[in-house]
Amino acid sequence: DSGVTQTPKHLITATGQRVTLRCSPRSGDLSVYWYQQSLDQGLQFLIQYYNGEERAKGNILERFSAQQFPDLHSELNLSSLELGDSALYFCASSPRGGGAGGSYNEQFFGPGTRLTVL
Amino acid sequence: AQTVTQSQPEMSVQEAETVTLSCTYDTSESDYYLFWYKQPPSRQMILVIRQEAYKQQNATENRFSVNFQKAAKSFSLKISDSQLGDAAMYFCAYRSPYNTDKLIFGTGTRLQVFP
Repeated sequence: DSGVTQTPKHLITATGQRVTLRCSPRSGDLSVYWYQQSLDQGLQFLIQYYNGEERAKGNILERFSAQQFPDLHSELNLSSLELGDSALYFCASSPRGGGAGGSYNEQFFGPGTRLTVL
Repeated sequence: AQTVTQSQPEMSVQEAETVTLSCTYDTSESDYYLFWYKQPPSRQMILVIRQEAYKQQNATENRFSVNFQKAAKSFSLKISDSQLGDAAMYFCAYRSPYNTDKLIFGTGTRLQVFP
């Protein structure tokens, strides 16, 4: 158990719908990362938040958005869903924001949310 | 931009034998981190081993060790005394120490372990 929790575990929805995935980081971790794992794109970084602020953006679609709340939990919102959005969405957390040169900042992964769009 | 390549989609090994998974990467940075993650059927991402680029010594964690060749940009994972529980997808990942700690993953290698 990494200490990172994600809800729900599974989500089945229809095209055009909107869903929200939730992540609670490990106690004390300030950074949250979202990754998407799909058959087409593999494992790719979507977005990072650090202490409530957006820190880095990856290949995240405009239909997707995220935020990190004052209690440090994060939500990933996916709207106007398409069949191709079906994937496993991982959240990871780490103690710091990164970019601190040589200091290590291990990421701990949650169990993921399996999204199926029908 | 950095890239990570895993050229072996699938590998197999007999229990108690040794197997090596390959990974190459491309970067213009001189300092970075490299990782191997294991993803068993449960889908949980588990960190197996990490290597700091500035360290010449290859990392070792029990039965897992790496062969880090910085000049060749190669980072292979050796699993000794393979066990049935080692069967999983293995992902190689790169992380820059600058700006963000996002991980860049390879496409993965599926490892099968036969009794």
